[in-house]
Amino acid sequence: EPEVTQTPSHQVTQMGQEVILRCVPISNHLYFYWYRQILGQKVEFLVSFYNNEISEKSEIFDDQFSVERPDGSNFTLKIRSTKLEDSAMYFCASSRSHRDLAKNIQYFGAGTRLSVL
Amino acid sequence: GENVEQHPSTLSVQEGDSAVIKCTYSDSASNYFPWYKQELGKRPQLIIDIRSNVGEKKDQRIAVTLNKTAKHFSLHITETQPEDSAVYFCAARFNQFYFGTGTSLTVIP
Repeated sequence: EPEVTQTPSHQVTQMGQEVILRCVPISNHLYFYWYRQILGQKVEFLVSFYNNEISEKSEIFDDQFSVERPDGSNFTLKIRSTKLEDSAMYFCASSRSHRDLAKNIQYFGAGTRLSVL
Repeated sequence: GENVEQHPSTLSVQEGDSAVIKCTYSDSASNYFPWYKQELGKRPQLIIDIRSNVGEKKDQRIAVTLNKTAKHFSLHITETQPEDSAVYFCAARFNQFYFGTGTSLTVIP
């Protein structure tokens, strides 16, 4: 069964450094998402991406965050200058569609644990 | 925006008993309600979902009910097993997905 894959599984960085989290969505999916989950808390939506542009973003997704699909397979989340409070598990997800209710099931990657020291 | 509340935050049941987790949502435009199971340190996995034109859906030991008028939906797990122990998240979606705060279910053998 196809899976969303994320790398690395764990990223440790110093405060103020830039990090790039990588995701390979399922190949025939067109919509891509990033979520974060602070330890012990709920999953929070960050951003959705379709047709090479951001479709929606939450209040969390400020100017420090950016997303990119640099080639036909990867989908990346960049945090420009990490803060301590950015420490969380970041999940990528993808779906075939967004508004078509028959096709908008989101499949999650295993996540990248980001630790900002 | 949407606000999803989930109760209870923790739930312990004896193996074989039923477990019920409830969620309420605020945006009547939400039209898709998935439930995810998240085992410790792992990704959320979809276990069942329901769309706004359906009142109930069942898949073996798992069922979900939706009351659009009251804006609440519930997850029912019957004949619980120790491997059902996990955190369960509900979500509601119109445009974005909004997740509930999670319920930590422990099934005691």
